[in-house]
Amino acid sequence: GIQVEQSPPDLILQEGANSTLRCNFSDSVNNLQWFHQNPWGQLINLFYIPSGTKQNGRLSATTVATERYSLLYISSSQTTDSGVYFCAVRSYQLTFGKGTKLSVIP
Amino acid sequence: EPEVTQTPSHQVTQMGQEVILRCVPISNHLYFYWYRQILGQKVEFLVSFYNNEISEKSEIFDDQFSVERPDGSNFTLKIRSTKLEDSAMYFCASVTGYNEQFFGPGTRLTVL
Repeated sequence: GIQVEQSPPDLILQEGANSTLRCNFSDSVNNLQWFHQNPWGQLINLFYIPSGTKQNGRLSATTVATERYSLLYISSSQTTDSGVYFCAVRSYQLTFGKGTKLSVIP
Repeated sequence: EPEVTQTPSHQVTQMGQEVILRCVPISNHLYFYWYRQILGQKVEFLVSFYNNEISEKSEIFDDQFSVERPDGSNFTLKIRSTKLEDSAMYFCASVTGYNEQFFGPGTRLTVL
């Protein structure tokens, strides 16, 4: 099946710093989504981005489908950004990566 | 804004007992999914459901699991005889097609 790799696995940031999270996938996909898992375990939809670039406030994402990767940018990070960020791709069912655990410290 | 809902939010059960996890997908969606996340691990696909039948299932979805859409709104996951390793967060998701999947808040299942 399709492989999804996320990097880095762990990231510690000072509040106010910027970061880039990466998602590589092994085959063509027709859907790519980024999620934030909050401390209560809920999966919060961040972006549906099979290709191109989208922005939502301090977050933006870019997917280059032909090169099989996606990037999630977080600018001016806040402590509330802490949690695990998952990339998930779909060829048939949605396949998740292992996530990037982000810790933003004051 | 329409959303996927799941009940209960937390279920505690004894090993060997049957549990039913419930989901109400978004009303005009056609495809429904169950996913599982063991604590500290990634989210894994269990089963997809379309037109009142299973369209795809993973190796995890063995004979202990079943899904049903008993009426026009609910979508259920049943585990017949729970094992300790079934302890996990279970997510329901729905979608109109090959588009964005919308996830419910999850049910945390604890098997003692």
